[in-house]
Amino acid sequence: NAGVTQTPKFRVLKTGQSMTLLCAQDMNHEYMYWYRQDPGMGLRLIHYSVGEGTTAKGEVPDGYNVSRLKKQNFLLGLESAAPSQTSVYFCASATQGASGGPYEQYFGPGTRLTVT
Amino acid sequence: AQSVSQHNHHVILSEAASLELGCNYSYGGTVNLFWYVQYPGQHLQLLLKYFSGDPLVKGIKGFEAEFIKSKFSFNLRKPSVQWSDTAEYFCAVNELNTGGFKTIFGAGTRLFVKA
Repeated sequence: NAGVTQTPKFRVLKTGQSMTLLCAQDMNHEYMYWYRQDPGMGLRLIHYSVGEGTTAKGEVPDGYNVSRLKKQNFLLGLESAAPSQTSVYFCASATQGASGGPYEQYFGPGTRLTVT
Repeated sequence: AQSVSQHNHHVILSEAASLELGCNYSYGGTVNLFWYVQYPGQHLQLLLKYFSGDPLVKGIKGFEAEFIKSKFSFNLRKPSVQWSDTAEYFCAVNELNTGGFKTIFGAGTRLFVKA
């Protein structure tokens, strides 16, 4: 049981390049999330998904796209990277509680992305 | 849209001091509340959570939090901190909107405990 894994762990991009970050969870969780963490700003939600085939925008979605084709995977894409997207990206997943909302989130180890 | 406010961005304490970290939220509906901790170089882990029932919630490592509905608060406490509690602490709230439930995090409080 690996929990939540993220690929890659580190990446350096040049401005304008594209890339995809992969998040995988083996806990059969319905909810999955992508956050970015910047100093002094805490965690900001980029996009999230409440189930396979569904996605929704979070607080800072611009410049990112996501897909959830399989329940266990949640992909985050940067079509044209910008220096402002230099950050640490965390993926998380959560199971659905009785009220329909998510229980606590389980986080992956993070991806450190630098855009030059 | 709701917000989550953590009043202190940086806290410095000596070992054995008592800790209270403030958290206020603006969501007016039914809330689920969480405190997470991030130790240096690691990812976030759950400290404790509140969904319903007793508003005084006990978590791991001697932490507790009290949900006060009238004050929209969910403050984190620990009677006696240890050097190993040095970390960043995040308050979070579940919010229901058109896309389903999502979780909003506060900006975090960095705690440094002096040995």
